[in-house]
Amino acid sequence: QKEVEQNSGPLSVPEGAIASLNCTYSDRVSQSFFWYRQYSGKSPELIMSIYSNGDKEDGRFTAQLNKASQYVSLLIRDSQPSDSATYLCAVRYGANSKLTFGKGITLSVRP
Amino acid sequence: EPEVTQTPSHQVTQMGQEVILRCVPISNHLYFYWYRQILGQKVEFLVSFYNNEISEKSEIFDDQFSVERPDGSNFTLKIRSTKLEDSAMYFCASRLDVFPLAKNIQYFGAGTRLSVL
Repeated sequence: QKEVEQNSGPLSVPEGAIASLNCTYSDRVSQSFFWYRQYSGKSPELIMSIYSNGDKEDGRFTAQLNKASQYVSLLIRDSQPSDSATYLCAVRYGANSKLTFGKGITLSVRP
Repeated sequence: EPEVTQTPSHQVTQMGQEVILRCVPISNHLYFYWYRQILGQKVEFLVSFYNNEISEKSEIFDDQFSVERPDGSNFTLKIRSTKLEDSAMYFCASRLDVFPLAKNIQYFGAGTRLSVL
């Protein structure tokens, strides 16, 4: 059974702080890793994708992947109240396969 | 910007009734998916569809479920005899089938909230 774990949360940070969201996965053959943002009652919206070990930056967001530790994280710099949402980690185990999601981490950014 | 369109946004039905959830994937996408999310729970994969056939399905996707691409634009999920536990948000997603891997992002529709009474 391929699992994606997001065990920390909910997370509350003050506006302007860095929010750090973590995710671990069980299968070493995983190829692709995604962070989706989901507002309450809405659909998942892609924030970041990462495929290689290391960091990938896009604006205020940085995804970090460590395949040896089976760990992927998302850093949000200069957090804004509009970043308040649930962040879903998703893993794809093959080029054509489904996404397996974690249960999500709810982030609240306090003004 | 192209988007995945789902209708209806909310479907209310009686237990035992058939429902059809509709999706219009992004026009040049070739892989289609259905996921569901029961309130407060994780997003779960149901089925993937490629080249007019199911390419993968989960254990949730039993004989009560079926998918169809009846024409060149629509992709439907049918639940033959709904149960109370089918109440969930159902998301359709689609993606390209191109190289390199980085371009194969799944884009999600806004979802259909199914309420089974």
